[in-house]
Amino acid sequence: EIVLTQSPGTLSLSPGESATLFCRASQSVSSTYVAWYQQRPGQAPRLLIYAAFTRATGIPLRFSGSGSGTDFTLTISRLEPDDFAVYYCQYRGTFGQGTKLEVK
Amino acid sequence: QVQLVQSGAEMKKPGASVKVSCRSFGYSFTAHYMHWVRQAPGQGLEWMGWINPNNGGTNYAQKFQGRVTMTRDTAISAAYMELTRLTSDDTAVYYCARDQQWLDDYYVMDVWGQGARVTVSS
Repeated sequence: EIVLTQSPGTLSLSPGESATLFCRASQSVSSTYVAWYQQRPGQAPRLLIYAAFTRATGIPLRFSGSGSGTDFTLTISRLEPDDFAVYYCQYRGTFGQGTKLEVK
Repeated sequence: QVQLVQSGAEMKKPGASVKVSCRSFGYSFTAHYMHWVRQAPGQGLEWMGWINPNNGGTNYAQKFQGRVTMTRDTAISAAYMELTRLTSDDTAVYYCARDQQWLDDYYVMDVWGQGARVTVSS
C-alpha cells in the first residue's frame, strides 16, 4: 500500500511570498495519478493539479506542480489571501495528511 | 452547471446505518465514476470507494469492505453510500466526488459535493 507523506505539516508565509509544498510516496508511483487539492475551511476540496503538473480548469498560473518517482512538489507563487488553506496530495485511493498554509 | 448536491446532516446512534445521497446535475451521470471520500473532524481526507454509474460496479477501500455499499439510480442521476454498524469513529463529513475521466477510474476528482455531516453519538 502506498503511503504519501506531506511536508511541512504547517507552512507560515506572508502574502506575496512563494510556497513550496512537498509530497513523498513510500514507493515509486506513476505521475499520471498524482493530484493536488486545496481545501479552505468549511469547504469541499478543490482540484488544483492532476497528472503531477497539469492545472485543472480555472486554476491560476501561480499554481504549478512537478515531480516524478517518489517526490512531488506543489509551488504557489505570489501568495494571495485566498491561498491560505490546507493542501492535499493524492495518488489514486490514497491522500497525504495535508499541509496547512497559514498567514505569518 | 456541473454540480453534485448531497443530502443533509444526519445524527445516528452507534450500531445504526446511514445512507447519504448525491444527485448530479449538468453532465452525463453514467459517464463518470463517482467516488466517496470522508473527513473526520480536524482530520484529512479518506477515500472510501467508487461506483461506476454505468453498470453499478463498485470498488471499496479495504477498510470499509463489508460495511459500505454504494449504489446508484440512473433515472434520477443519483449515487448513494450506505455505511452500516456505525461507531463514533464514523463521525465525519462524507463527500461524493466525480471522477474526471470519461468511463474510467482515474481517481482524479474534479467536482465535489458540498458534503454531508454524519454524527454518531449515543
